[in-house]
Amino acid sequence: DAKTTQPPSMDCAEGRAANLPCNHSTISGNEYVYWYRQIHSQGPQYIIHGLKNNETNEMASLIITEDRKSSTLILPHATLRDTAVYYCIVRVVRMDSSYKLIFGSGTRLLVRP
Amino acid sequence: ETGVTQTPRHLVMGMTNKKSLKCEQHLGHNAMYWYKQSAKKPLELMFVYSLEERVENNSVPSRFSPECPNSSHLFLHLHTLQPEDSALYLCASSQEDGTNYEQYFGPGTRLTVT
Repeated sequence: DAKTTQPPSMDCAEGRAANLPCNHSTISGNEYVYWYRQIHSQGPQYIIHGLKNNETNEMASLIITEDRKSSTLILPHATLRDTAVYYCIVRVVRMDSSYKLIFGSGTRLLVRP
Repeated sequence: ETGVTQTPRHLVMGMTNKKSLKCEQHLGHNAMYWYKQSAKKPLELMFVYSLEERVENNSVPSRFSPECPNSSHLFLHLHTLQPEDSALYLCASSQEDGTNYEQYFGPGTRLTVT
């Protein structure tokens, strides 16, 4: 049970912002939202994570709704190298502090020249 | 380069063979993971080691046997595999200290069982 829902595919033009939505309506109060991406045949790469507040780093911005039931990953200026499968994941917290990432099917983002 | 290396990158083995996949992390992390990614399916968590103790075993068949001799190395021993075990096997590591949250993945081993 991945606990997240994402559109299977999206596309955007190079240089434009890519906005990738994710629904996580059953998220618990202490569960973080993570985003990873996987470029073809490579291992997944961490992008960003957040709990309640919006977050920004050098790769992307994460916007989380006030009720925390959905979020949006924003790539402000998409490049061809951003073509990948993007995974929105809710981190399952364990009592011993180790955690699991449960991957869903993700969104396949195609950046067009 | 994520600091997590996996060898071999590609492996073809028969159903009666025994082989091992190796993972090494150069990040000083204390937790390591094995994932399986079959074609057209999401990544599946197989095993988790935290401080060299196995803390997760997701109903993985016994033909897959993990080993974590120290915090930097993780192995996956394979024997009498089936063709449906053909997949990309990914290793990851993380620092379990309550403040760091990222898992760093290796490039994977592409396994084909014939």
